Amino acid sequence: EADIYQTPRYLVIGTGKKITLECSQTMGHDKMYWYQQDPGMELHLIHYSYGVNSTEKGDLSSESTVSRIRTEHFPLTLESARPSHTSQYLCASSEGGRQWRYTFGSGTRLTVV
Amino acid sequence: EDQVTQSPEALRLQEGESSSLNCSYTVSGLRGLFWYRQDPGKGPEFLFTLYSAGEEKEKERLKATLTKKESFLHITAPKPEDSATYLCAVQAYGNEKLTFGTGTRLTIIP
Repeated sequence: EADIYQTPRYLVIGTGKKITLECSQTMGHDKMYWYQQDPGMELHLIHYSYGVNSTEKGDLSSESTVSRIRTEHFPLTLESARPSHTSQYLCASSEGGRQWRYTFGSGTRLTVV
Repeated sequence: EDQVTQSPEALRLQEGESSSLNCSYTVSGLRGLFWYRQDPGKGPEFLFTLYSAGEEKEKERLKATLTKKESFLHITAPKPEDSATYLCAVQAYGNEKLTFGTGTRLTIIP
C-alpha cells in the first residue's frame, strides 16, 4: 500500500525532449526529496523541499529542476534530456517525531536514447 | 564527509541459516541511522531507525543494533522472501541528506 506515488514507472525518451517526473504523497509530509540511483550504486540526493515554495539542491549536481506549489506534489523536470540522465529517480517524504522515517515511492526508471 | 560502508556486498544463505549484515559509518554527529529493504525495480522500504549507541529494534526475523561506529542487521532463520538488497543510511545533525551505503544483496536459498 503506497502512500507516495510516482509516475511514470518507466520512460524511454529521445535526446532533447522535455520531461516531468511526477511525485505525490498523501501523508501530509512537509519535507520531500528526490534521489537518483544507478544500478549497484548508492542513492544520491538531487533536490529537497521543506514545504510549499521551498526547494533546495542536493549534493549531486543535477540539470533537473523541481517545484513545490502544493504540499502533496513535488514534480521533477528535465528541460532537455540527455543519455547521461538515464537512471532511476526515487521520490521520498519524511516526518519527524517518534515515527521518524523516510518513505520512498517505487521510482521512475528513465532511459534517454 | 559522512560515509557508509556495507559488508558483505552479497550474501547467499540457506533457508534457516542465520547471519548478520554490517554497516560501518562515519558521521559528524549522528541524528539517525536507517535500515531499508529494496526489492528489484522498487523503491526502498523502511525497516528501522536507530538513534543512539546501544539501541536495538526488532521486526519479525530482523533485529538491528547500533554502536558508535557500526550497525548490524541480524537475520534469524531467514526465508526465501527475505531475499532483497538491504540498505543502510545515516543522517547527520544539520543536514537534510541521507548518506547511503551501496547495500548488501541477500539471497535465501530454499
